[in-house]
Amino acid sequence: NAGVTQTPKFRVLKTGQSMTLLCAQDMNHEYMYWYRQDPGMGLRLIHYSVGEGTTAKGEVPDGYNVSRLKKQNFLLGLESAAPSQTSVYFCASSYSRGEQFFGPGTRLTVL
Amino acid sequence: DQQVKQNSPSLSVQEGRISILNCDYTNSMFDYFLWYKKYPAEGPTFLISISSIKDKNEDGRFTVFLNKSAKHLSLHIVPSQPGDSAVYFCAASDPGFQKLVFGTGTRLLVSP
Repeated sequence: NAGVTQTPKFRVLKTGQSMTLLCAQDMNHEYMYWYRQDPGMGLRLIHYSVGEGTTAKGEVPDGYNVSRLKKQNFLLGLESAAPSQTSVYFCASSYSRGEQFFGPGTRLTVL
Repeated sequence: DQQVKQNSPSLSVQEGRISILNCDYTNSMFDYFLWYKKYPAEGPTFLISISSIKDKNEDGRFTVFLNKSAKHLSLHIVPSQPGDSAVYFCAASDPGFQKLVFGTGTRLLVSP
């Protein structure tokens, strides 16, 4: 099992560009999450999904969109990147409300 | 409003001694608590959890204590090893949600 994988691992964008981060899990988990980690801020929830076809806003959803068209995939989109979105992004999945399994992260820099 | 707080950004401990990492929360509805460990350039990994019906949970060198009246939990690592050097996050959830609220993390450095 690969667990939770994230694509890409690194990316540099210019302000105003768009991109999509892909998260995939092979554990048949219902719940999937996108977080961002910034220095001194811990992990903050951007969006999450409790099942295929569902999405919900987390703590810091502005500037991001998500889609969960397939149970195993959760996409995070940035339509018009801003320097404030420079961060490390983590995807996670879980079977229920307990333990979440995290991917290795995507380091995004917006110039 | 930070519902889960880790007030110590860093902690240094000598190998073989006890490491105690603390976490406070404000939401009395939280009923499940977890600790995650994170190495640089990797995702967080689950370490240990505790339900609010317990006040202690032990797994090898790791023990989590929960004091509900004080809204406080702590992670004890005994004995500490250099490989334990990492950032530790505590997290909490309440019965109504499928998501976790994380603290800001404590960086533990265990020196030989």
